[in-house]
Amino acid sequence: QSVLTQPPSVSGAPGQRVTISCTGSSSNIGAGYDVHWYQQLPGTAPKLLIYGNSNRPSGVPDRFSGSKSGTSASLAITGLQAEDEADYYCQSYDSSLEVVFGGGTKLTVL
Amino acid sequence: QVQLVQSGAEVKKPGASVKVSCKASGYTFTGYYMHWVRQAPGQGLEWMGRINPNSGGTNYAQKFQGRVTMTRDTSISTAYMELSRLRSDDTAVYYCARGKWGEWGQGTLVTVSS
Repeated sequence: QSVLTQPPSVSGAPGQRVTISCTGSSSNIGAGYDVHWYQQLPGTAPKLLIYGNSNRPSGVPDRFSGSKSGTSASLAITGLQAEDEADYYCQSYDSSLEVVFGGGTKLTVL
Repeated sequence: QVQLVQSGAEVKKPGASVKVSCKASGYTFTGYYMHWVRQAPGQGLEWMGRINPNSGGTNYAQKFQGRVTMTRDTSISTAYMELSRLRSDDTAVYYCARGKWGEWGQGTLVTVSS
């Protein structure tokens, strides 16, 4: 049971827009802690996609965007491409300063 | 460029301990926390704890308190994670990740089996 709740799966056709939600509580996201997002391709280490709620590291396409409101955060992917098919994880902190992850969302490009 | 290179796969028996290393290069090792995260087969990411390579101070996830020990050797820019009293459900890929989360090691598969 993950502290942050994500949908197990989402899907979309090439070119479409999809969003992945990450729901927390007043002791983590709602307490003001930053949310980060990761993309994990099969058999590889996670890759930082969004940091500090809405910032993209160098090299991450602007098709990826993040937002945060209240006790939740969202990752949006526009112009969906086949190469975006992967697992996506959100991450934040809780009031005990432990790092918490979402359970992960599998994105399928139809 | 920043690189984190982890030690190779391990096979351990239940009750044993395992020590995974993470050698850092391309940056000032003492300038960033090092996190350890694990991922059981087909499962999500689980944070185990972090070490401050400068002071050696550690913060462990409550779940692993008493079983995990994180250390570092600043002379060779290497962080270590030791997990004791291994059980079959400790079978996972163990990752180190630099403090700002932008760089991860390649992962080390630890298999616990009798």
